[in-house]
Amino acid sequence: GAVVSQHPSWVICKSGTSVKIECRSLDFQATTMFWYRQFPKQSLMLMATSNEGSKATYEQGVEKDKFLINHASLTLSTLTVTSAHPEDSSFYICSARNQGRRNTEAFFGQGTRLTVV
Amino acid sequence: GENVEQHPSTLSVQEGDSAVIKCTYSDSASNYFPWYKQELGKGPQLIIDIRSNVGEKKDQRIAVTLNKTAKHFSLHITETQPEDSAVYFCAASIWFSGGYNKLIFGAGTRLAVHP
Repeated sequence: GAVVSQHPSWVICKSGTSVKIECRSLDFQATTMFWYRQFPKQSLMLMATSNEGSKATYEQGVEKDKFLINHASLTLSTLTVTSAHPEDSSFYICSARNQGRRNTEAFFGQGTRLTVV
Repeated sequence: GENVEQHPSTLSVQEGDSAVIKCTYSDSASNYFPWYKQELGKGPQLIIDIRSNVGEKKDQRIAVTLNKTAKHFSLHITETQPEDSAVYFCAASIWFSGGYNKLIFGAGTRLAVHP
Protein backbone atom coordinates (compact mmCIF):
# COMPACT_ATOMS: atom_id res chain seq x y z
CA GLY A 1 0.00 0.00 0.00
CA ALA A 2 0.94 3.65 -0.28
CA VAL A 3 2.92 5.31 2.50
CA VAL A 4 1.98 8.53 4.23
CA SER A 5 4.55 9.97 6.60
CA GLN A 6 3.62 12.45 9.28
CA HIS A 7 6.14 14.49 11.24
CA PRO A 8 6.66 14.98 14.09
CA SER A 9 5.07 12.01 15.82
CA TRP A 10 4.79 13.99 19.02
CA VAL A 11 5.45 17.57 20.08
CA ILE A 12 5.22 19.56 23.28
CA CYS A 13 4.94 23.31 23.00
CA LYS A 14 4.31 26.28 25.23
CA SER A 15 0.98 28.03 25.25
CA GLY A 16 0.93 30.88 22.73
CA THR A 17 3.44 29.39 20.34
CA SER A 18 2.77 27.89 16.90
CA VAL A 19 3.38 24.32 15.82
CA LYS A 20 3.72 22.95 12.29
CA ILE A 21 2.86 19.37 11.39
CA GLU A 22 3.93 17.89 8.05
CA CYS A 23 2.17 15.21 6.04
CA ARG A 24 3.99 13.63 3.10
CA SER A 25 2.89 11.04 0.57
CA LEU A 26 6.08 9.10 -0.09
CA ASP A 27 5.30 7.03 -3.16
CA PHE A 28 2.29 8.63 -4.81
CA GLN A 29 0.97 12.03 -5.69
CA ALA A 30 -1.77 13.18 -3.35
CA THR A 31 -3.96 15.75 -4.98
CA THR A 32 -6.10 15.77 -1.85
CA MET A 33 -5.11 15.45 1.78
CA PHE A 34 -7.33 15.43 4.82
CA TRP A 35 -6.60 16.59 8.35
CA TYR A 36 -8.30 15.01 11.33
CA ARG A 37 -8.34 15.57 15.03
CA GLN A 38 -8.92 12.77 17.50
CA PHE A 39 -9.57 13.11 21.21
CA PRO A 40 -8.89 10.17 23.54
CA LYS A 41 -11.26 7.25 22.99
CA GLN A 42 -13.16 9.14 20.32
CA SER A 43 -13.55 8.93 16.58
CA LEU A 44 -11.71 10.93 13.95
CA MET A 45 -13.15 14.38 13.37
CA LEU A 46 -12.44 15.85 9.95
CA MET A 47 -11.01 19.34 10.27
CA ALA A 48 -10.33 20.27 6.67
CA THR A 49 -9.77 19.03 3.15
CA SER A 50 -6.62 20.24 1.48
CA ASN A 51 -6.33 20.37 -2.30
CA GLU A 52 -3.00 20.93 -3.98
CA GLY A 53 -2.60 24.49 -5.20
CA SER A 54 -5.84 25.83 -3.75
CA LYS A 55 -7.30 26.92 -0.44
CA ALA A 56 -8.33 24.30 2.05
CA THR A 57 -11.98 23.60 2.74
CA TYR A 58 -12.68 23.71 6.46
CA GLU A 59 -15.42 21.85 8.28
CA GLN A 60 -17.99 23.77 10.22
CA GLY A 61 -16.70 24.95 13.56
CA VAL A 62 -13.01 24.72 12.64
CA GLU A 63 -11.21 28.05 12.81
CA LYS A 64 -9.27 28.56 9.59
CA ASP A 65 -7.13 31.31 11.09
CA LYS A 66 -6.08 29.04 13.91
CA PHE A 67 -5.44 25.89 11.90
CA LEU A 68 -3.52 27.01 8.83
CA ILE A 69 -3.27 24.44 6.07
CA ASN A 70 -0.91 24.63 3.13
CA HIS A 71 -0.77 22.10 0.29
CA ALA A 72 1.91 23.56 -1.94
CA SER A 73 2.97 20.36 -3.68
CA LEU A 74 1.50 17.02 -4.66
CA THR A 75 3.38 15.25 -1.88
CA LEU A 76 3.26 17.67 1.04
CA SER A 77 0.59 19.30 3.16
CA THR A 78 1.22 21.16 6.40
CA LEU A 79 -1.02 22.01 9.32
CA THR A 80 0.06 24.90 11.54
CA VAL A 81 -1.63 25.32 14.89
CA THR A 82 -1.23 29.01 15.65
CA SER A 83 -1.17 30.50 19.13
CA ALA A 84 -1.68 27.07 20.64
CA HIS A 85 -3.58 26.67 23.89
CA PRO A 86 -3.94 23.65 26.19
CA GLU A 87 -7.35 22.87 24.68
CA ASP A 88 -5.62 22.32 21.32
CA SER A 89 -3.83 19.33 22.82
CA SER A 90 -4.95 16.35 20.77
CA PHE A 91 -3.93 13.66 18.30
CA TYR A 92 -3.76 15.09 14.77
CA ILE A 93 -3.84 12.70 11.83
CA CYS A 94 -3.54 13.32 8.12
CA SER A 95 -4.62 11.13 5.25
CA ALA A 96 -3.90 11.27 1.55
CA ARG A 97 -5.52 9.88 -1.55
CA ASN A 98 -4.90 10.13 -5.25
CA GLN A 99 -8.02 11.93 -6.30
CA GLY A 100 -7.42 11.03 -9.91
CA ARG A 101 -9.01 7.68 -9.15
CA ARG A 102 -12.61 7.27 -8.12
CA ASN A 103 -13.26 5.79 -4.71
CA THR A 104 -9.60 5.29 -4.04
CA GLU A 105 -8.64 4.31 -0.55
CA ALA A 106 -7.25 6.87 1.89
CA PHE A 107 -3.90 6.18 3.52
CA PHE A 108 -3.26 7.61 6.94
CA GLY A 109 -0.16 8.98 8.58
CA GLN A 110 0.92 7.71 11.97
CA GLY A 111 -0.47 10.77 13.73
CA THR A 112 1.03 13.61 15.76
CA ARG A 113 0.35 13.94 19.46
CA LEU A 114 0.35 17.62 20.36
CA THR A 115 0.60 18.64 23.99
CA VAL A 116 0.35 22.33 24.83
CA VAL A 117 1.61 23.27 28.26
CA GLY B 1 -26.24 15.69 7.37
CA GLU B 2 -24.23 12.58 6.74
CA ASN B 3 -24.05 10.15 9.62
CA VAL B 4 -22.45 6.78 10.25
CA GLU B 5 -23.47 4.78 13.29
CA GLN B 6 -21.33 1.94 14.60
CA HIS B 7 -22.13 -0.81 17.09
CA PRO B 8 -21.08 -2.10 19.50
CA SER B 9 -18.78 0.46 21.11
CA THR B 10 -16.88 -2.30 22.90
CA LEU B 11 -16.59 -5.99 22.11
CA SER B 12 -14.87 -8.68 24.13
CA VAL B 13 -14.33 -12.17 22.70
CA GLN B 14 -12.30 -15.26 23.46
CA GLU B 15 -9.42 -16.15 21.20
CA GLY B 16 -10.67 -18.21 18.29
CA ASP B 17 -14.20 -16.83 18.39
CA SER B 18 -15.68 -14.59 15.71
CA ALA B 19 -16.28 -10.86 16.06
CA VAL B 20 -18.88 -8.84 14.17
CA ILE B 21 -19.08 -5.06 14.02
CA LYS B 22 -22.00 -3.34 12.35
CA CYS B 23 -22.44 0.08 10.79
CA THR B 24 -25.30 1.96 9.20
CA TYR B 25 -25.07 5.03 7.02
CA SER B 26 -27.59 7.70 6.20
CA ASP B 27 -26.69 8.96 2.73
CA SER B 28 -27.82 6.65 -0.06
CA ALA B 29 -25.24 8.28 -2.34
CA SER B 30 -22.42 6.64 -0.37
CA ASN B 31 -20.53 4.23 -2.56
CA TYR B 32 -17.31 3.32 -0.76
CA PHE B 33 -17.03 1.71 2.66
CA PRO B 34 -13.59 1.13 4.21
CA TRP B 35 -12.74 -0.36 7.56
CA TYR B 36 -9.77 0.79 9.61
CA LYS B 37 -7.86 -0.71 12.52
CA GLN B 38 -6.22 1.69 14.93
CA GLU B 39 -3.74 0.60 17.55
CA LEU B 40 -2.91 2.77 20.51
CA GLY B 41 -0.97 5.88 19.57
CA LYS B 42 -0.98 5.13 15.86
CA GLY B 43 -2.86 6.25 12.80
CA PRO B 44 -5.66 4.12 11.33
CA GLN B 45 -4.71 1.34 8.94
CA LEU B 46 -6.99 0.23 6.15
CA ILE B 47 -7.81 -3.45 6.60
CA ILE B 48 -10.55 -4.01 4.03
CA ASP B 49 -12.95 -2.00 1.93
CA ILE B 50 -16.00 -2.60 -0.20
CA ARG B 51 -17.57 -0.67 -3.00
CA SER B 52 -21.26 -0.35 -3.68
CA ASN B 53 -21.27 -2.63 -6.68
CA VAL B 54 -20.52 -5.76 -4.60
CA GLY B 55 -22.24 -7.33 -1.62
CA GLU B 56 -19.39 -9.15 0.05
CA LYS B 57 -15.60 -9.18 0.10
CA LYS B 58 -13.24 -11.48 1.94
CA ASP B 59 -9.55 -11.35 2.76
CA GLN B 60 -8.34 -14.32 4.81
CA ARG B 61 -9.93 -13.99 8.28
CA ILE B 62 -11.63 -10.70 7.51
CA ALA B 63 -14.82 -10.18 5.54
CA VAL B 64 -17.12 -7.26 4.90
CA THR B 65 -20.75 -7.39 3.79
CA LEU B 66 -22.85 -4.59 2.37
CA ASN B 67 -26.63 -4.27 2.18
CA LYS B 68 -27.33 -1.21 0.09
CA THR B 69 -31.08 -1.42 0.52
CA ALA B 70 -30.84 -1.35 4.28
CA LYS B 71 -27.76 0.89 4.25
CA HIS B 72 -25.91 -1.54 6.50
CA PHE B 73 -22.38 -2.85 6.28
CA SER B 74 -20.57 -5.19 8.64
CA LEU B 75 -17.07 -6.37 9.46
CA HIS B 76 -16.56 -10.03 10.31
CA ILE B 77 -13.35 -11.31 11.88
CA THR B 78 -13.07 -15.08 12.26
CA GLU B 79 -10.63 -17.07 14.40
CA THR B 80 -9.75 -13.99 16.38
CA GLN B 81 -6.26 -13.62 17.82
CA PRO B 82 -4.96 -11.39 20.64
CA GLU B 83 -3.20 -9.21 18.05
CA ASP B 84 -6.62 -8.36 16.60
CA SER B 85 -7.25 -6.31 19.75
CA ALA B 86 -7.56 -2.66 18.67
CA VAL B 87 -10.12 -0.01 17.85
CA TYR B 88 -11.95 -0.56 14.58
CA PHE B 89 -13.60 2.24 12.61
CA CYS B 90 -16.03 1.96 9.75
CA ALA B 91 -16.42 4.81 7.29
CA ALA B 92 -18.57 5.82 4.37
CA SER B 93 -17.56 7.95 1.47
CA ILE B 94 -19.76 10.75 0.20
CA TRP B 95 -19.41 12.48 -3.12
CA PHE B 96 -19.73 16.28 -3.19
CA SER B 97 -19.86 18.73 -6.08
CA GLY B 98 -16.34 19.31 -7.33
CA GLY B 99 -15.70 15.58 -7.66
CA TYR B 100 -13.87 14.94 -4.42
CA ASN B 101 -15.13 12.96 -1.48
CA LYS B 102 -14.51 12.74 2.21
CA LEU B 103 -14.82 9.89 4.70
CA ILE B 104 -17.42 9.99 7.44
CA PHE B 105 -16.32 7.79 10.34
CA GLY B 106 -18.27 5.75 12.80
CA ALA B 107 -17.59 6.20 16.51
CA GLY B 108 -15.34 3.14 16.72
CA THR B 109 -15.44 -0.29 18.35
CA ARG B 110 -12.87 -1.30 20.91
CA LEU B 111 -12.23 -5.01 20.36
CA ALA B 112 -10.53 -7.05 23.06
CA VAL B 113 -9.51 -10.63 22.28
CA HIS B 114 -8.69 -12.63 25.39
CA PRO B 115 -6.29 -15.59 25.24
